[in-house]
Amino acid sequence: KQEVTQIPAALSVPEGENLVLNCSFTDSAIYNLQWFRQDPGKGLTSLLLIQSSQREQTSGRLNASLDKSSGRSTLYIAASQPGDSATYLCAVRPQAGTALIFGKGTTLSVSS
Amino acid sequence: DGGITQSPKYLFRKEGQNVTLSCEQNLNHDAMYWYRQDPGQGLRLIYYSQIVNDFQKGDIAEGYSVSREKKESFPLTVTSAQKNPTAFYLCASTSRGPRYTEAFFGQGTRLTVV
Repeated sequence: KQEVTQIPAALSVPEGENLVLNCSFTDSAIYNLQWFRQDPGKGLTSLLLIQSSQREQTSGRLNASLDKSSGRSTLYIAASQPGDSATYLCAVRPQAGTALIFGKGTTLSVSS
Repeated sequence: DGGITQSPKYLFRKEGQNVTLSCEQNLNHDAMYWYRQDPGQGLRLIYYSQIVNDFQKGDIAEGYSVSREKKESFPLTVTSAQKNPTAFYLCASTSRGPRYTEAFFGQGTRLTVV
């Protein structure tokens, strides 16, 4: 059964730092992978979607990479800001027609 | 604006009551999902539906029921058989076809047993 792990569970950085959030999954045969942001008490906001045939996706200061063979994805955040403080969730879709399987998230705190 | 609307935002349930959480989407998505989120446990799948009048159980379906009579709507009923229903409930949708696109989520319903 596919399992998704996110390390670390929490991360604190000063404003302006570049940082990397990690996501690993146990079965490399995935359909796609999606990164989300969640603010306290709110729903999930989609950040980036990577299809299984892609290696990376970029949106503004965010860059997500995918290495299926090693079962890993990273979310790179450049020049972090206090507004980036949130929980970041990684989810994989094992096959077309299946539901997303989530990691437990990394809670990021960026101090000014 | 296109999106997913969950209502109510907060819901209180008495012991032995059934309650229904609403999820409506105007994204013309075929697939819809219900997840439960508890502190420290991440999101767990309750039910999902790929098309109208069809749905499948997720990992924690016991004590819950759903219906999918319309493409736009996927209500979740929390029955009295669910012994620990206090949680944050999230609804999501995605399109189907040759390539599944991004999943989008509603703002959630927080259910509390009183």
